[in-house]
Amino acid sequence: GAGVSQSPSNKVTEKGKDVELRCDPISGHTALYWYRQSLGQGLEFLIYFQGNSAPDKSGLPSDRFSAERTGGSVSTLTIQRTQQEDSAVYLCASRPQAGGAYEQYFGPGTRLTVT
Amino acid sequence: ILNVEQSPQSLHVQEGDSTNFTCSFPSSNFYALHWYRWETAKSPEALFVMTLNGDEKKKGRISATLNTKEGYSYLYIKGSQPEDSATYLCAAYGSGNTGKLIFGQGTTLQVKP
Repeated sequence: GAGVSQSPSNKVTEKGKDVELRCDPISGHTALYWYRQSLGQGLEFLIYFQGNSAPDKSGLPSDRFSAERTGGSVSTLTIQRTQQEDSAVYLCASRPQAGGAYEQYFGPGTRLTVT
Repeated sequence: ILNVEQSPQSLHVQEGDSTNFTCSFPSSNFYALHWYRWETAKSPEALFVMTLNGDEKKKGRISATLNTKEGYSYLYIKGSQPEDSATYLCAAYGSGNTGKLIFGQGTTLQVKP
């Protein structure tokens, strides 16, 4: 079946502009996660969705970052007034449910470059 | 808060060499340990999910062990091949129901033909 997809695959934007990153999880997966990897850093958790709710937003680095999920499916991560430190690879992952020892299924990522 | 560390940061080996990487994590508040392989321009791919102390898992030439009491996991690759070149990520999942993973920085493996 189809895996997790993300769009765009690459995004170059000017400092100060807003960007939207999209994630299509595997159908039926209720849990969805956003992570990012900045240069030289490990993967960093941003936000977790269960259905359309986000019970854990603890990883969002500032109030310029927001995310939503609709219909228990597609999620959008929005970064307002982008800064150069926002440059990173943004990964989305989904799994059938939050609890339990299930692997996470990752998308190919969006590489964001802020100039 | 979990803090996951991996070593070495990078590794260069010759084809046919066997190698291993280490992942350490706090032994308290532990639920599961994940290993992923991330090849350039591809999605991270799950290798193993382990939960029990003493767990050993194997997939082809790759195997992993877990020691939850002392807080470490080893990943072994036997007879490395160029296609094994990738970044290997370790991630821990603490108690709670979110499934949120805390990742180490990764070990980048380069296998030379």
